[in-house]
Amino acid sequence: QQQVKQSPQSLIVQKGGISIINCAYENTAFDYFPWYQQFPGKGPALLIAIRPDVSEKKEGRFTISFNKSAKQFSLHIMDSQPGDSATYFCAASGRGSTLGRLYFGRGTQLTVWP
Amino acid sequence: DSGVTQTPKHLITATGQRVTLRCSPRSGDLSVYWYQQSLDQGLQFLIQYYNGEERAKGNILERFSAQQFPDLHSELNLSSLELGDSALYFCASSVVPGYGYTFGSGTRLTVV
Repeated sequence: QQQVKQSPQSLIVQKGGISIINCAYENTAFDYFPWYQQFPGKGPALLIAIRPDVSEKKEGRFTISFNKSAKQFSLHIMDSQPGDSATYFCAASGRGSTLGRLYFGRGTQLTVWP
Repeated sequence: DSGVTQTPKHLITATGQRVTLRCSPRSGDLSVYWYQQSLDQGLQFLIQYYNGEERAKGNILERFSAQQFPDLHSELNLSSLELGDSALYFCASSVVPGYGYTFGSGTRLTVV
């Protein structure tokens, strides 16, 4: 059972455009929602994370939007650059022994054309 | 350098063999996680340890086993290797279980 569902599987965006990746979850006990960026042959790296008590968090060109009632969150990459081409994973975790690990989405392969 | 050290970086071995992958977590991190990533596949959770004790198991095959030692480093043992076990194996660590994972750079295993 996929605890976190991510879409789209792949995304092609023009340089300077906005990249949007969406995730949804079911377990309301989740209270931490990070995004990871992975380049080929490298380990995933934490990009940005949000808690459910805020609806938006921005760090540079990267913004997480969080909709608690809909149980959805999304990553927006503004002014997308070729260097942003990578695989992006959303994830969720929560308190308690059954949730004390990150549940990852299946990933979105982003390609930014120059 | 993320602070999580995985060795070796690359491993080529034959079917039926056994290998051991090693992970040293970031200083101060008590939780260690192992993930498998195949070509075009997402991150498949294998197993989690917290301060030396197994905490959770994912889709880990019976041919695979792991442990976390008193100095907190962890080893993932893969035995009776099959071609389908070829993948990237990642270790991650965190201070608090489930929060603020830091990943290592992975071990690329090729079974021939």
